[in-house]
Amino acid sequence: DVKVTQSSRYLVKRTGEKVFLECVQDMDHENMFWYRQDPGLGLRLIYFSYDVKMKEKGDIPEGYSVSREKKERFSLILESASTNQTSMYLCASRTQKTGDETQYFGPGTRLLVL
Amino acid sequence: SQQGEEDPQALSIQEGENATMNCSYKTSINNLQWYRQNSGRGLVHLILIRSNEREKHSGRLRVTLDTSKKSSSLLITASRAADTASYFCARALGAQKLVFGQGTRLTINP
Repeated sequence: DVKVTQSSRYLVKRTGEKVFLECVQDMDHENMFWYRQDPGLGLRLIYFSYDVKMKEKGDIPEGYSVSREKKERFSLILESASTNQTSMYLCASRTQKTGDETQYFGPGTRLLVL
Repeated sequence: SQQGEEDPQALSIQEGENATMNCSYKTSINNLQWYRQNSGRGLVHLILIRSNEREKHSGRLRVTLDTSKKSSSLLITASRAADTASYFCARALGAQKLVFGQGTRLTINP
């Protein structure tokens, strides 16, 4: 089974702190994604990566950066956390092979910024 | 908006009844996927239907796709308490990205 893990289930941070959210997948997937989920807004794509050291902006990249130094690990960085970044953050991965478009999700990190 | 629209936003039914959720979208698709999310957890892939398919089954799930109406439906038959969750449709945008709808919250009452 594909396993996607996220470093924390719950995080509480203060405004202005630098926050790191880590995601690791064990299926040698090329593509990895970071979403945030908010009530009434569904899932919105922040960034994605289709290879090591490669990244592309999603729909809401402002205030975030990412790092992909190893294929299995994709990190989301909040350079200076703000209260409007309080949200559920979901990581996902998928293979680039055609015919398998399924995204596999981690359990999510619920971040509260005070 | 590139997101799909899901209908209804919330659905509450009795155990054993069938549940139907609908998804509409605006642009052409290669495939449409349905995911389930249990409360406070990650999403789990349920089923994928391609643009050249009209109907697909997986256990108690039945998905239909009408590309002329740009809509899809997910039917869960003989619902169980464990089916209580949020259900999302997602369509491919470009080669790799998915765009998710806002979801339908399904509650199965015992």
